[in-house]
Amino acid sequence: EAGVAQSPRYKIIEKRQSVAFWCNPISGHATLYWYQQILGQGPKLLIQFQNNGVVDDSQLPKDRFSAERLKGVDSTLKIQPAKLEDSAVYLCASSLVWSSGGTDTQYFGPGTRLTVL
Amino acid sequence: DAKTTQPNSMESNEEEPVHLPCNHSTISGTDYIHWYRQLPSQGPEYVIHGLTSNVNNRMASLAIAEDRKSSTLILHRATLRDAAVYYCIPMNTGNQFYFGTGTSLTVIP
Repeated sequence: EAGVAQSPRYKIIEKRQSVAFWCNPISGHATLYWYQQILGQGPKLLIQFQNNGVVDDSQLPKDRFSAERLKGVDSTLKIQPAKLEDSAVYLCASSLVWSSGGTDTQYFGPGTRLTVL
Repeated sequence: DAKTTQPNSMESNEEEPVHLPCNHSTISGTDYIHWYRQLPSQGPEYVIHGLTSNVNNRMASLAIAEDRKSSTLILHRATLRDAAVYYCIPMNTGNQFYFGTGTSLTVIP
């Protein structure tokens, strides 16, 4: 079965520019996650979708970050405008269900490495 | 959310067993303990998970303390491909992960 796809794999932009990342989860997976991973740290959850609805976006910096999941499949994460501290790897993950009681497996994509100059 | 404590780094010789410890003293009674690993330049991948009793799969074994305040991931024979950062993560009922900094495992040939 195909894994989680992300594009682009690498992106370099200057501060104050905009950038968008795309994620295609595993077919049939209801839940989609976006994580930010700064160098040397573990991934940090930014937003969680159940189908096309937001379950949790408490750690998403909403003044500059936005995300959507149209039709409950693909998802886009946008940063506008970017800051130097946004340099990180942005990981997308999906899981089959949402309310599994803590047993569900998350499948991660390869990530998009963003460099903000 | 439960906090975890793991050694920053560990080393193992190839083909020897590795025991990766994790403390999660604030874990709730319903949180499953998941272990993921992240190879260089890749996204994290699932290793194993459990609730109370020890668990085995083709990749590893998970030993959970009786009081659930700690667990140990056991790789029975480390290979060079096992060199990665290993994360111990309590998962809440909302399927949310809160990663720590993990343990960077180096496997020495």
